[in-house]
Amino acid sequence: GESVGLHLPTLSVQEGDNSIINCAYSNSASDYFIWYKQESGKGPQFIIDIRSNMDKRQGQRVTVLLNKTVKHLSLQIAATQPGDSAVYFCAEPFTGGGNKLTFGTGTQLKVEL
Amino acid sequence: EAGVTQSPTHLIKTRGQQATLRCSPISGHTSVYWYQQALGLGLQFLLWYDEGEERNRGNFPPRFSGRQFPNYSSELNVNALELEDSALYLCASSLGDRAGTEAFFGQGTRLTVV
Repeated sequence: GESVGLHLPTLSVQEGDNSIINCAYSNSASDYFIWYKQESGKGPQFIIDIRSNMDKRQGQRVTVLLNKTVKHLSLQIAATQPGDSAVYFCAEPFTGGGNKLTFGTGTQLKVEL
Repeated sequence: EAGVTQSPTHLIKTRGQQATLRCSPISGHTSVYWYQQALGLGLQFLLWYDEGEERNRGNFPPRFSGRQFPNYSSELNVNALELEDSALYLCASSLGDRAGTEAFFGQGTRLTVV
C-alpha cells in the first residue's frame, strides 16, 4: 500500500546546531508535501510545504528538500532552538481527492541545551 | 480570529459506550477533516466533510461516523467503544477541499476508553 514514513523516530541535537529530519514516501504520483510540527498537548501546526515541481523551498529557518528520484523529503532547521522540540510529520495528499492527508509516524526532535 | 476548536478536551468512557466529539472550524472554512492519533503513532485519516456532505472516509469501521452541520461545525460519533479506540482525535479545517489548501488543526480531544 501507499505510505509515508520517516527514517528516524528520535533525533537529538544541540541548541544552535542544524537539524535534518528525513521522510520517505512511496506514492510517486504525489504532487504536494507538507511538514507539520506537533508540540506536546497540541494539534499539528503547518510549517512548510512543497510542490513536486520544486526541489527546494525555504522558509524562516526551515528548508524543505524534495528528491523525486528516490522519493525522499527532508526538513532542515537552522540554528535549532529549544522551542523547536516537537514531533515532526511529513504528509502528502491522501488518494481519493480532496485535501485529506496521509501522515508518517513522526520524528521526535529533542533539543539539548 | 479563533482557530479550530474542539470539545471536550478530555473524555473518559467505558467500553461499549458511545462518544461524541465536536469541532468548530475556522470561520469561513467549509471542509472539516477528522484524524485519529493513537499514542506514539502518526495521524490516521478518519472522515472528510465538505458543505454538509461526507466526501470520504478512511479505513475505519462503520461505528465511526459523523456529520457536518449547516454552520460547518462537525461531530464525530464513535459507537460501541473498544479499548483500542483510546487516542487523540484531531479535527482540521480548510478553506477549500482541493489538495494543497492549508489545513489548520485543533488541539484535539483525548478519548480514553476503560
